[in-house]
Amino acid sequence: GENVEQHPSTLSVQEGDSAVIKCTYSDSASNYFPWYKQELGKRPQLIIDIRSNVGEKKDQRIAVTLNKTAKHFSLHITETQPEDSAVYFCAALVGRLYFGRGTQLTVWP
Amino acid sequence: EPEVTQTPSHQVTQMGQEVILRCVPISNHLYFYWYRQILGQKVEFLVSFYNNEISEKSEIFDDQFSVERPDGSNFTLKIRSTKLEDSAMYFCASKRGGSTDTQYFGPGTRLTVL
Repeated sequence: GENVEQHPSTLSVQEGDSAVIKCTYSDSASNYFPWYKQELGKRPQLIIDIRSNVGEKKDQRIAVTLNKTAKHFSLHITETQPEDSAVYFCAALVGRLYFGRGTQLTVWP
Repeated sequence: EPEVTQTPSHQVTQMGQEVILRCVPISNHLYFYWYRQILGQKVEFLVSFYNNEISEKSEIFDDQFSVERPDGSNFTLKIRSTKLEDSAMYFCASKRGGSTDTQYFGPGTRLTVL
């Protein structure tokens, strides 16, 4: 089956700095890559996604890039704010969603 | 905006007991899922359900687990004889259709097996 690796497991940044989280996947048939944000004790919420026919997608301070050749995709958050602090999960879809292990992002004021 | 809902929010049970976790997917959605998340770990797929039958299940979803859509709105996960290692957060998700449609997650049920 698909294997999704996510790095780093923890990330601390100062407010206003950028944060980058990287994921790799193993199955070239994966065609959809969502990113979920999960605040403590709450449901995972989709923040951005990208399909395999697109290389980059941006939504305000959040962007995702996809490199199909290298089988990796990344989440970029610019101008981070304390409310961005949460666990972020990447996932890859091939039949079902396979999740990465998550990145605990802490944004210090 | 419609949301997936789940009940109960927290369930405590004794090992060997049966539990039923309930979900109400978004009303016009056709695909339903159960995931679990052991504390501090990744979200893991359990099962997907479409057109009143299981479309895919993971190796975790053994004979102790079953799913049902008893009526037009509820989607349930039953664990027949709970084990300590079943303690986790269980999330229901739904999507409208299409392979790359967004899956929307419910708030989860925290299951604690004593």
